[in-house]
Amino acid sequence: QSALTQPRSVSGSPGQSVTISCTGTSSDVGGYDYVSWYQQHPGKAPKLMIYDVTKRPSGVPDRFSASKSGNTASLTISGLQAEDEADYYCCSYAGSYDWVFGGGTKLTVL
Amino acid sequence: EVQLVESGGGLVQPGGSLRLSCAASGFTFSSYWMHWVRQAPGKGLVWVSRVNSDGSITNYADSVKGRFTISRDNAKNTLYLQMNSLRAEDTAVYYCARTSGGFDIWGQGTMVTVSS
Repeated sequence: QSALTQPRSVSGSPGQSVTISCTGTSSDVGGYDYVSWYQQHPGKAPKLMIYDVTKRPSGVPDRFSASKSGNTASLTISGLQAEDEADYYCCSYAGSYDWVFGGGTKLTVL
Repeated sequence: EVQLVESGGGLVQPGGSLRLSCAASGFTFSSYWMHWVRQAPGKGLVWVSRVNSDGSITNYADSVKGRFTISRDNAKNTLYLQMNSLRAEDTAVYYCARTSGGFDIWGQGTMVTVSS
């Protein structure tokens, strides 16, 4: 399985919105509604932010939203805050009990 | 508190073996699929392996198939990863993670370094 494609970096100012894309194929992102997103601060374990394409776990701010169109999923963070600065990873079920992650996107809050 | 705690990492020579453990607490361990995910230094997350709730079905990434074995002991609330024929490219932080609509609970990770 090849890694899903994410931009290496995105940036935005406090209060602005940013969107991170995650492109796969019809065998993973496009084939299943099992896309999830993770936030990882340096030296920390990843944290689940979105699952099943659009669902937010309890405790995740509603500033985080996500969607999917075809083979591309997207994570949008609105009202950027300093603490949102982190690495973000998408992940998709890829069939046959395989999972594939994206390469990760570094979000910088300017 | 729902928690996963990994242990067993360390420095091992190429070709060597290591067994990682992941102790679960705060939830009904036997009800969940469990996974191992790794992250090489400065790199992204990579899914490694998965075991179903009763341990009867396992799956592996191609990169570790035939060398790694995932297992679990539900009586001890513990997940394992037996790693054999280790290579330099296996050097990474290894995380255990629970599946419940995404990987919802992660351990803190344990570092495995394969080097002579």
